Amino acid sequence: EVQLVESGGGLVKPGGSLRLSCAASGFTFSSYSMNWVRQAPGKGLEWVSSISSSSSYIYYADSVKGRFTISRDNAKNSLYLQMNSLRAEDTAVYYCACSIAVAAAFDYWGQGTLVTVSS
Amino acid sequence: DIQLTQSPSFLSASVGDRVTITCRASQGISSYLAWYQQKPGKAPKLLIYAASTLQSGVPSRFSGSGSGTEFTLTISSLQPEDFATYYCQQLNSYLFTFGGGTKVEIK
Repeated sequence: EVQLVESGGGLVKPGGSLRLSCAASGFTFSSYSMNWVRQAPGKGLEWVSSISSSSSYIYYADSVKGRFTISRDNAKNSLYLQMNSLRAEDTAVYYCACSIAVAAAFDYWGQGTLVTVSS
Repeated sequence: DIQLTQSPSFLSASVGDRVTITCRASQGISSYLAWYQQKPGKAPKLLIYAASTLQSGVPSRFSGSGSGTEFTLTISSLQPEDFATYYCQQLNSYLFTFGGGTKVEIK
């Protein structure tokens, strides 16, 4: 069974940093691109970042470029999101997601981890 | 960047109604469009991919159509469990944008 479990969320002050993790199981993690998607309270979904299977290709939304860094450790079946210079508008539930059984869609999602940026 | 505009943003409907949601892309995306359903406090669930392919396990009352810049999600007969928020997503470019969402509520 495919499982994606996010962790690392919490309360952080503006300007602070936080590192999110996503532990993957039930599939060959090293073969698939991975993604982060976020959702601010009461708002819609926002794609944040993607990383290819071997980390050769990395993409960011303009809203986080230069502040967030996506990475992965295929030996540990884990995806990460290092978030620096956090702002109030980064407050959201952060989901990791991937495309496994289908192409061009996110068919598996984690349960999400809440990041709150507030003083 | 490709923008996706969903309409309507809010829809009030009754059980048994036929419901149609539209997603328009700011430039052509071929058929690289997916639809998701999200219920409060839950992760999104994939309904449709490649514009019209039903995800395994999704009821056949859901269908998708379109290509290029205009897409639709149709629920042929709305069921109580379908009251949720629906999002489209484009995967034509590597900035995988989502539409703003359509909340379907009970009339």
